[in-house]
Amino acid sequence: AAGVIQSPRHLIKEKRETATLKCYPIPRHDTVYWYQQGPGQDPQFLISFYEKMQSDKGSIPDRFSAQQFSDYHSELNMSSLELGDSALYFCASSLTREQYFGPGTRLTVT
Amino acid sequence: AQKITQTQPGMFVQEKEAVTLDCTYDTSDPSYGLFWYKQPSSGEMIFLIYQGSYDQQNATEGRYSLNFQKARKSANLVISASQLGDSAMYFCAMREGDSGGTSYGKLTFGQGTILTVHP
Repeated sequence: AAGVIQSPRHLIKEKRETATLKCYPIPRHDTVYWYQQGPGQDPQFLISFYEKMQSDKGSIPDRFSAQQFSDYHSELNMSSLELGDSALYFCASSLTREQYFGPGTRLTVT
Repeated sequence: AQKITQTQPGMFVQEKEAVTLDCTYDTSDPSYGLFWYKQPSSGEMIFLIYQGSYDQQNATEGRYSLNFQKARKSANLVISASQLGDSAMYFCAMREGDSGGTSYGKLTFGQGTILTVHP
């Protein structure tokens, strides 16, 4: 069965640089979620989209923005990166009750 | 206030034995969903099982079952016949505002429990 695809899987950036993370949800899933998991932490909700419209917003810094495109893929744009942004970023998608996560993008800011 | 509490930072179990991972939750919403995820050391987040607050029966998926006690606000995960590959971090999560069918919304996670299966 198809799963959530995230790219890249690993990303190394320097402070103050920008990064773009991509997410391709499971086909026909209409909702996409972004989560951030810091080292040794539980995942924290950032933002979600339903049918290409922002549906909820969590503790997402103003330096971050996201959108969902007409083909339902989503991108998380991160600017002015800080050391504290180093984390595992998950995208998840859902159609009904279950929420399926992608493999994550591990972002390291040096 | 913590909405999801996992009080066991670490658990150990012998291979082929059953193990219960605890999860308690706090919500005033009558409609909610409870999830369990497995996170191996490789990092991916694997969906295991879901329980809706209005579901009449406890959820089961293969070797995983959810011991749902609504009055106690607990949703413990039971893994039967543990395998070495079950060694991982396990997260309990909740989504408030669940309806009986299609449901959308963010998940709130607990702190996780590291399970180690001994041969």
